[in-house]
Amino acid sequence: QVQLVESGGGLVKPGGSLRLSCAASGFTFSDYYMSWIRQAPGKGLEWISYISSSSSTKTYADSVKGRFTISRDNAKSSLYLQLNSLRAEDTAVYFCATESGTKFESWGQGTLVTV
Amino acid sequence: QPVLTQPPSASASLGASVTLACTLTSGYSNHKVDWYQKRPGKGPRFVMRVGTGGIVGSKGEGIPDRFSVLGSGLNRYLTIKNIQEEDESDYHCGADYGSGNNFVYVFGGGTKLTVL
Repeated sequence: QVQLVESGGGLVKPGGSLRLSCAASGFTFSDYYMSWIRQAPGKGLEWISYISSSSSTKTYADSVKGRFTISRDNAKSSLYLQLNSLRAEDTAVYFCATESGTKFESWGQGTLVTV
Repeated sequence: QPVLTQPPSASASLGASVTLACTLTSGYSNHKVDWYQKRPGKGPRFVMRVGTGGIVGSKGEGIPDRFSVLGSGLNRYLTIKNIQEEDESDYHCGADYGSGNNFVYVFGGGTKLTVL
């Protein structure tokens, strides 16, 4: 059974940094592209970053480009998101998701970041 | 970059049917759209993908037969028949644009479905 568990969220001041983690289990993590998606309070979902299975390709939404960095460790079945230069508008629940055929098939429960 | 437009709210009585719409920006009439269900306090759940010919691929895990989709012009619809209390959720549509280094994914604003 696919399981994705996010962690690392919390309260941070504007300009601060956080590192989010996503622990994956129940599937071959190294076979899957992964993404981070967030949902601000009262707002819709917003895709923010994607990484290929080998980490050779990484893309970002314009809203986080240059501030956030996605990475992964296939040996640890883990996905990461480094959040720098945080702003109030980055306050959201952050979800990790498996990407298959450009759709997001499995999601975690999310971790809350409050700036 | 394209925009997906969804009405902010919808409602339906228990046991009735409801159709939720997601409208693509002009010029993207051949684009496929993904539907996701989001319950409070839970992660989103993939429902299914829809193109102009209807469902593309398989439904998400555990999605009941009461859920179906239809595509017409710039609109992609999600229909829920015989609505149950557990269907009360936010429903988001999304679509990918580009691939590889140009991959971008856009979501609509979501529709809050209330079961009366």
